[in-house]
Amino acid sequence: DTAVSQTPKYLVTQMGNDKSIKCEQNLGHDTMYWYKQDSKKFLKIMFSYNNKELIINETVPNRFSPKSPDKAHLNLHINSLELGDSAVYFCASSQEGEAVNYQETQYFGPGTRLLVL
Amino acid sequence: LAKTTQPISMDSYEGQEVNITCSHNNIATNDYITWYQQFPSQGPRFIIQGYKTKVTNEVASLFIPADRKSSTLSLPRVSLSDTAVYYCLVVSSFFGNEKLTFGTGTRLTIIP
Repeated sequence: DTAVSQTPKYLVTQMGNDKSIKCEQNLGHDTMYWYKQDSKKFLKIMFSYNNKELIINETVPNRFSPKSPDKAHLNLHINSLELGDSAVYFCASSQEGEAVNYQETQYFGPGTRLLVL
Repeated sequence: LAKTTQPISMDSYEGQEVNITCSHNNIATNDYITWYQQFPSQGPRFIIQGYKTKVTNEVASLFIPADRKSSTLSLPRVSLSDTAVYYCLVVSSFFGNEKLTFGTGTRLTIIP
């Protein structure tokens, strides 16, 4: 029944490790996103995918790589984890409206709390 | 890029009307204004969206002046459960490489 789901919910790992966070949406949306929320609660977009094509890529390190096997999934792979990567990562999805000048609503997942030790 | 600015925090008593203003001086013609609500340990949740004038739904109202350089989210008769962080978002068309910009968020605390 969940619209946007993420796994795992919590992730504790050592510096230098490689980890993946998975995201799935069952809303049939065209676009999916990854956001990072830091300790100060600033929410910053990292990536978005539309029809399996990267259309936004904020200035994130190339250790972060989004992978979309299909329209319903957008996974986030992180190489060589660093202490500064500790944050909450949110996945979201949206459907582009058909009407002119319509802006879509984004639906967010519950978040993945990453702690790098 | 339409950068947004919001107050960092606000307090209000239960039953009051709360107005949170967001500044977006560089908003473009195709930009829409969207507000999200975020409770602790949860993802942001859509509240309301508008382009100009006034929009009202079952949760809130959104007031946008003619110049669209600011917007005000109005929550009628707040309760304790409205304690959350409220984000103002200016969204452009995705045909192109437009960037999404979230405000810093306003932490609203409702006092009994």
